[in-house]
Amino acid sequence: AQSVTQLDSHVSVSEGTPVLLRCNYSSSYSPSLFWYVQHPNKGLQLLLKYTSAATLVKGINGFEAEFKKSETSFHLTKPSAHMSDAAEYFCVVIGGSQGNLIFGKGTKLSVKP
Amino acid sequence: SAVISQKPSRDICQRGTSLTIQCQVDSQVTMMFWYRQQPGQSLTLIATANQGSEATYESGFVIDKFPISRPNLTFSTLTVSNMSPEDSSIYLCSVVGASRFDEQFFGPGTRLTVL
Repeated sequence: AQSVTQLDSHVSVSEGTPVLLRCNYSSSYSPSLFWYVQHPNKGLQLLLKYTSAATLVKGINGFEAEFKKSETSFHLTKPSAHMSDAAEYFCVVIGGSQGNLIFGKGTKLSVKP
Repeated sequence: SAVISQKPSRDICQRGTSLTIQCQVDSQVTMMFWYRQQPGQSLTLIATANQGSEATYESGFVIDKFPISRPNLTFSTLTVSNMSPEDSSIYLCSVVGASRFDEQFFGPGTRLTVL
């Protein structure tokens, strides 16, 4: 069965410092992995996706993630945090034959001025 | 991409009543999904709704409680029946892109509060 584990429920960084949101996955085959962001009272937005092409995936708003099979990880990074990055981030894997998504528990990112 | 709208955007309901949530997509899609996001929690899949067939429910969700209709390729409804305060959640519909490995597009959600 497919699953993802987000290792931190809450991450706090200062504006201008790097962001690291950690995600490990479990999969019986090559997974399709995504990072989604949810701003307060807003809908879900796709940041980036990995579908077995390049292992380093670049997304929107300066985010990127690296797929590491040896570590079963798909951590999300950004070199410099901005106040507007404060949101909930979900690591997601395709779970079933019909394409339904399995969500991690989420990491709340806070950005201090 | 797909643009998805949901109605209502939010509602406050009394326990024991039912609410039907509508999901409209701006293009024809085969598969639609309904998710629930309880307060402070992640998203959990309720069911998969394919046009022309019965919805497939995940463990812990049953048709009597969450009946789903899928009359055509652009529309679906989810009913939350005989509501209790535990049903207070955000309910979201989503559709898959060109392939099941593609991104999913989500509606804005329906925020339901049950008193």
